[in-house]
Amino acid sequence: EAGVAQSPRYKIIEKRQSVAFWCNPISGHATLYWYQQILGQGPKLLIQFQNNGVVDDSQLPKDRFSAERLKGVDSTLKIQPAKLEDSAVYLCASSLGPPAGASSYNEQFFGPGTRLTVL
Amino acid sequence: LAKTTQPISMDSYEGQEVNITCSHNNIATNDYITWYQQFPSQGPRFIIQGYKTKVTNEVASLFIPADRKSSTLSLPRVSLSDTAVYYCLVGGFMFSGGYNKLIFGAGTRLAVHP
Repeated sequence: EAGVAQSPRYKIIEKRQSVAFWCNPISGHATLYWYQQILGQGPKLLIQFQNNGVVDDSQLPKDRFSAERLKGVDSTLKIQPAKLEDSAVYLCASSLGPPAGASSYNEQFFGPGTRLTVL
Repeated sequence: LAKTTQPISMDSYEGQEVNITCSHNNIATNDYITWYQQFPSQGPRFIIQGYKTKVTNEVASLFIPADRKSSTLSLPRVSLSDTAVYYCLVGGFMFSGGYNKLIFGAGTRLAVHP
């Protein structure tokens, strides 16, 4: 089965410019996640969608970051304007959907990520 | 959400068994324990998940003591290709909104030598 697709794989921009990342989750996966991974650190969840609704965006810097998931499939993450500290790998992941309940889990499948360098 | 503590790095040799222990003293009743593996320039990949006792799959084993305050990922007979970062995550079902939430720590960098 096809995995999570992301584009572009690499992006170099100057500070104060805008950038957008695209993610296509695994077919049939209702839940989509965007993570930011700074070099040497673990991924940090930015936003989580359930179909086309946001269920968690508590760590998304909303003054400059925005994300949408139209029609509950593809998603885009935008940064406007970018800062030097936004240099990181942006990972998209998807999972089947809401777990059956407590003590239940749906595995997250990650894409290859987009490496952003802000100069 | 429970915080996890695991070694920053470990070294091993090909053919050895590697055990990576993770502490999660504040684990909640609804939390499960999940391990992910990440190779350079790739996204993390699910390895194994458990709630209590022992879980084994084709890749690894996960040992969880009765108090669930720690867990140990066991990789049998590692090879050079097992060199990666291993993340221990403790997460639960969020009743409000009904979704899974996981928090990644810094992980353990495993280096396997010839």
